[in-house]
Amino acid sequence: QKEVEQNSGPLSVPEGAIASLNCTYSDRVSQSFFWYRQYSGKSPELIMSIYSNGDKEDGRFTAQLNKASQYVSLLIRDSQPSDSATYLCAVNRVRNQGGKLIFGQGTELSVKP
Amino acid sequence: GAVVSQHPSRVICKSGTSVKIECRSLDFQATTMFWYRQFPKKSLMLMATSNEGSKATYEQGVEKDKFLINHASLTLSTLTVTSAHPEDSSFYICSAPGREDRNEQFFGPGTRLTVL
Repeated sequence: QKEVEQNSGPLSVPEGAIASLNCTYSDRVSQSFFWYRQYSGKSPELIMSIYSNGDKEDGRFTAQLNKASQYVSLLIRDSQPSDSATYLCAVNRVRNQGGKLIFGQGTELSVKP
Repeated sequence: GAVVSQHPSRVICKSGTSVKIECRSLDFQATTMFWYRQFPKKSLMLMATSNEGSKATYEQGVEKDKFLINHASLTLSTLTVTSAHPEDSSFYICSAPGREDRNEQFFGPGTRLTVL
């Protein structure tokens, strides 16, 4: 079982729709969770970090964490073609500097105009 | 967040040569930085943790004699790919912790290495 699993996609949604990206992790003691966006040929860009159960909203993005189910998701409201990218879920066992991030394989999102 | 730079952004070299990649944390002093490698259509793989003032910590399967890491100062870490071979061709990315939230990591723009 992979430590961090994502559906590889591609996930295709129409412009204006809600895109839902999912991630599960295997290490129950994981403490920190992150979503990164990566455009083709570029390095990852941090979108959201979440540490506690529940929802965290930032603009059109909402991260949801459920530690009991070992599940973290990212919702993108009012999806735009510019949101088309690969979204990487990352997990850290600790909550301090120096902790290692474990990445999922990424989900490719395509937003169709 | 954090501003992280990398140099060079792209390098092409002949097989057998060594290549040095620099990673700088421009607005924050980072005692720890990380080096990743990414192959096409694949996710990021952590290669090593760069520690200021001490030896780097390498992930299992990463040859420390081939991938030399030096954390020269609180703002600079370097990765040297020694005796590069075509299979070392990849996208190398470093990261540094954020200034406000040191648990977050911010990535440099990456270095694309092509070994002929």
